[in-house]
Amino acid sequence: QSVLTQPPSASGTPGQRVTMSCSGGSSNIGSNTVNWYQQLPGTAPRLLIYKNNQRPSGVPDRFSGSKSGTSASLAISGLQSEDEADYFCAAWDDNLNVLFGGGTWLT
Amino acid sequence: QVVLVESGGGVVQPGGSLRLSCAASGFSFSSYAMHWVRQAPGKGMEWVAAISDDGNNKYYGDSVQGRFTVSRDNPRNTFYVQMNSLRDEDTAVYHCVKSHRAVAVPGYFDFWGQGALVSVSS
Repeated sequence: QSVLTQPPSASGTPGQRVTMSCSGGSSNIGSNTVNWYQQLPGTAPRLLIYKNNQRPSGVPDRFSGSKSGTSASLAISGLQSEDEADYFCAAWDDNLNVLFGGGTWLT
Repeated sequence: QVVLVESGGGVVQPGGSLRLSCAASGFSFSSYAMHWVRQAPGKGMEWVAAISDDGNNKYYGDSVQGRFTVSRDNPRNTFYVQMNSLRDEDTAVYHCVKSHRAVAVPGYFDFWGQGALVSVSS
């Protein structure tokens, strides 16, 4: 069981906006930044969002992140078919371990 | 472009050993920390270990502490993990991951390899 909690699945239609959550605690998300990754089927994970809400170059502005307290969210607007993938969150904890969410499969 | 290619995976018996390698290219390898992250079948990602850019600082997850050792060869642009006393629960795809900074912890992972499968089974 993952320390960071994510819903196992989410769904949307093309053009829609979807959000997915990542819930943790005071020693991880509550005191450290959150990063989000996308894993398309059969490929290596890709960094989507770092430091809660920053997008690396090359990531469309349809993807956005936010954090409040011990939870974080990833939003995808203008949903496209190629967005179908697994999305997982990550955060360091105060004991210098990286914690991951179990992932949310977006259909 | 950044490319990370893992090798050395395979089937090993419980109690056995295996060494994974990660060949890196497309960036200044000696300037960045590196990590291993694994994913067991049907499970989420689990951080395994990390090493600083110069190899002087190493960090391990609780489940592998004392059994796994990370190292790097900067002139060869290669990163390793030596896995000893392997257990059934070590069965996973092991990803080589580049950090965005030289210091190993904390930080975020900006590039991942496809992974190498390690299967621990009798």
